[in-house]
Amino acid sequence: QKEVEQNSGPLSVPEGAIASLNCTYSDRVSQSFFWYRQYSGKSPELIMSIYSNGDKEDGRFTAQLNKASQYVSLLIRDSQPSDSATYLCAVGGRYSTLTFGKGTMLLVSP
Amino acid sequence: DAGVIQSPRHEVTEMGQEVTLRCKPISGHDYLFWYRQTMMRGLELLIYFNNNVPIDDSGMPEDRFSAKMPNASFSTLKIQPSEPRDSAVYFCASSKGGFRNQPQHFGDGTRLSIL
Repeated sequence: QKEVEQNSGPLSVPEGAIASLNCTYSDRVSQSFFWYRQYSGKSPELIMSIYSNGDKEDGRFTAQLNKASQYVSLLIRDSQPSDSATYLCAVGGRYSTLTFGKGTMLLVSP
Repeated sequence: DAGVIQSPRHEVTEMGQEVTLRCKPISGHDYLFWYRQTMMRGLELLIYFNNNVPIDDSGMPEDRFSAKMPNASFSTLKIQPSEPRDSAVYFCASSKGGFRNQPQHFGDGTRLSIL
């Protein structure tokens, strides 16, 4: 059974701080990794995809991947109250499937 | 571009009734996925299709659940008979194929309540 583990949180950070969200996965052969943001009552929205070891930056977001440690993280710089949401880590599997973690709730206080 | 379109957005019905959820994937996407989301279990993959063909339905909880994809632009998820424990948010997602996993794009979901 492929597993994707995330701390459920909530992770509380003040406005302007860096939020660090972490995810570990069990399937060593996984090659594709995604972060989704889900606001309460809404659908998951893709933020970042990452396929290679290292960092990938997009605006205030940085995804980090370490396949040897089976670890993916998402950094949000200059956190804003509008970033308050649940962040889902997703790991690619066979036939374009994704296995999702249960998500980490982020709360950014003004 | 139109995203994934699901209907209805909300459904409230009584136990034992048939429920049909509908999904229109993004044009050009050849994978379609049905998920169920609850607080306890998170996002669970129920079934997925590739080029309209069901590939894996091992996530379908019981025989009361069935799904079809008669063409590239339409899919249904049916629950018959429905039970209160089926209450959840049901999402449809679609993605392109490729040599590696492509991101999935989600519809707005159907919030289902079985009384």
